[in-house]
Amino acid sequence: DAKTTQPTSMDCAEGRAANLPCNHSTISGNEYVYWYRQIHSQGPQYIIHGLKNNETNEMASLIITEDRKSSTLILPHATLRDTAVYYCIVRVGSGNQFYFGTGTSLTVIP
Amino acid sequence: ETGVTQTPRHLVMGMTNKKSLKCEQHLGHNAMYWYKQSAKKPLELMFVYNFKEQTENNSVPSRFSPECPNSSHLFLHLHTLQPEDSALYLCASSQDIQGQPQHFGDGTRLSIL
Repeated sequence: DAKTTQPTSMDCAEGRAANLPCNHSTISGNEYVYWYRQIHSQGPQYIIHGLKNNETNEMASLIITEDRKSSTLILPHATLRDTAVYYCIVRVGSGNQFYFGTGTSLTVIP
Repeated sequence: ETGVTQTPRHLVMGMTNKKSLKCEQHLGHNAMYWYKQSAKKPLELMFVYNFKEQTENNSVPSRFSPECPNSSHLFLHLHTLQPEDSALYLCASSQDIQGQPQHFGDGTRLSIL
């Protein structure tokens, strides 16, 4: 079973908000949802994580549904440098193992 | 700059060579990880170390041998690798293994001839 489900790809116009959805219907009650992004030839970059409440930092906002079965990462004003693969992650097993999945390839269009 | 530095960035080696990948973190974290990222496949966790002790080995072949001399340094010793081992090898660290976010280096791109 996939731990998370994300669309394969999305486009967003530069300057507009990018809303990236993720389903994690099997998440445990005490597990966080993490978001990372990976730009070609670089390691994954941590963006944000949350448990129940919505979270915001200087990079993005994270909206988690009340039933915690899905979440949305929001980049409020997308720039060309936000073009990357975005991963929605939950932990699996023990030892802080992150399940990365295949992510969403976001392309920001000028 | 993520605070996690990996060297070398690129490595080409033959199947009979022995080489080592190095990872160093300057974040004061206690847990470190090795991941493998092959083309068009999700990241695969290989090893987890917590306070220098190995806590996870996800059925990794013995031709990959990790070493964690202290909480700031992690090595991956390679010998007798196969062409299918060509991949991006990523190191990460986190404060603990209780759910704190992991911070990644930029990886070593390994090519096996």
